[in-house]
Amino acid sequence: DAGVTQSPTHLIKTRGQQVTLRCSPKSGHDTVSWYQQALGQGPQFIFQYYEEEERQRGNFPDRFSGHQFPNYSSELNVNALLLGDSALYLCASSIGQRGNTIYFGEGSWLTVV
Amino acid sequence: AQRVTQPEKLLSVFKGAPVELKCNYSYSGSPELFWYVQYSRQRLQLLLRHISRESIKGFTADLNKGETSFHLKKPFAQEEDSAMYYCALSGHNYGQNFVFGPGTRLSVLP
Repeated sequence: DAGVTQSPTHLIKTRGQQVTLRCSPKSGHDTVSWYQQALGQGPQFIFQYYEEEERQRGNFPDRFSGHQFPNYSSELNVNALLLGDSALYLCASSIGQRGNTIYFGEGSWLTVV
Repeated sequence: AQRVTQPEKLLSVFKGAPVELKCNYSYSGSPELFWYVQYSRQRLQLLLRHISRESIKGFTADLNKGETSFHLKKPFAQEEDSAMYYCALSGHNYGQNFVFGPGTRLSVLP
């Protein structure tokens, strides 16, 4: 079992560009959540996807959007990148929308220059 | 509003000494509290949750609703306990919407 996998591991983008991050949940998991972790801070909830729909959303602007595919994998898209979007983006998966045992991926490091 | 605070950014103790990582929370209701740990070059992983009332790797944490605290304790720290520790809260109505504290880096000195 590979656990939660995320890609890419690192990437550098320019202000104003768009980025797509990908996540494959742990085998048997159907729910994916995304978190942003800025340097020196704890993870901050972005949104959760279950049954291919966004179910919950944190305090993030509409520039942050996502998608979940029938195989439960997910994408996080960020448009019009700002310098402040530089962070580690974590994907977490679980069983069920309210599953409280979540497993994290290693994250995607995004640097906006 | 839901909030988790961890007052210490860095906590250094000597091997064999007791350790306590502090966590306080604010939540209007009955939350679930968790401790997550991140060892060097590893992913964030669950250490323990209050509803399980278990001891993992010698760590325990008791939920004190009166003081809205969920401090993590271990009587005898080991060097392998050195890591980043995050306290997190999940409200029953929020499912996976975890609110994390800023984290405390524990350094266990030989």
